[in-house]
Amino acid sequence: GESVGLHLPTLSVQEGDNSIINCAYSNSASDYFIWYKQESGKGPQFIIDIRSNMDKRQGQRVTVLLNKTVKHLSLQIAATQPGDSAVYFCAENVRGAGNMLTFGGGTRLMVKP
Amino acid sequence: GAVVSQHPSWVICKSGTSVKIECRSLDFQATTMFWYRQFPKQSLMLMATSNEGSKATYEQGVEKDKFLINHASLTLSTLTVTSAHPEDSSFYICSAYWPKETQYFGPGTRLLVL
Repeated sequence: GESVGLHLPTLSVQEGDNSIINCAYSNSASDYFIWYKQESGKGPQFIIDIRSNMDKRQGQRVTVLLNKTVKHLSLQIAATQPGDSAVYFCAENVRGAGNMLTFGGGTRLMVKP
Repeated sequence: GAVVSQHPSWVICKSGTSVKIECRSLDFQATTMFWYRQFPKQSLMLMATSNEGSKATYEQGVEKDKFLINHASLTLSTLTVTSAHPEDSSFYICSAYWPKETQYFGPGTRLLVL
């Protein structure tokens, strides 16, 4: 995905609810995907990754789903907490492009207490 | 996860001066490091790929003579913004690639050029 400019889409959820953040990618040669969390004024923090030979991967309170047919990636956060409020980016690595990542535009998650 | 540090965390300088930002991988050796720039409310834009012992590879539109990158060791890469101008004000973030793992990011350096 490419940067979408100045207006980050925002997802607002109630504390305790589940959150789903979506990401579309366009390059069918992408074979490795990562979700990062970025809090204000900080660098991106690794959350979870998935390779193209998998459809689903689970971590602690997070699940990443990969649908290669429609080139769609999602991040599910269970029992969302106020500390989950941040901007979430998906990033993809294209096969043959070395270790370079291309970042999506980002989604701002706001958790209401 | 792996730890990547950046120094300084923020810097204010006058127009025309040069600023050096350091990126260190603290607990692993990184043959490849990356430099990104991020403007407010935008995503990360890759500036260049820094390989230890060789010249950096710059993305299209990034001036290599303005943004000097040196990757002298497996744990240190530096970005020097030469003759900085107000339009260079941004959030600069480095990442280090942990072999066979993934990229880990530094905390970022906020540059303000007056």
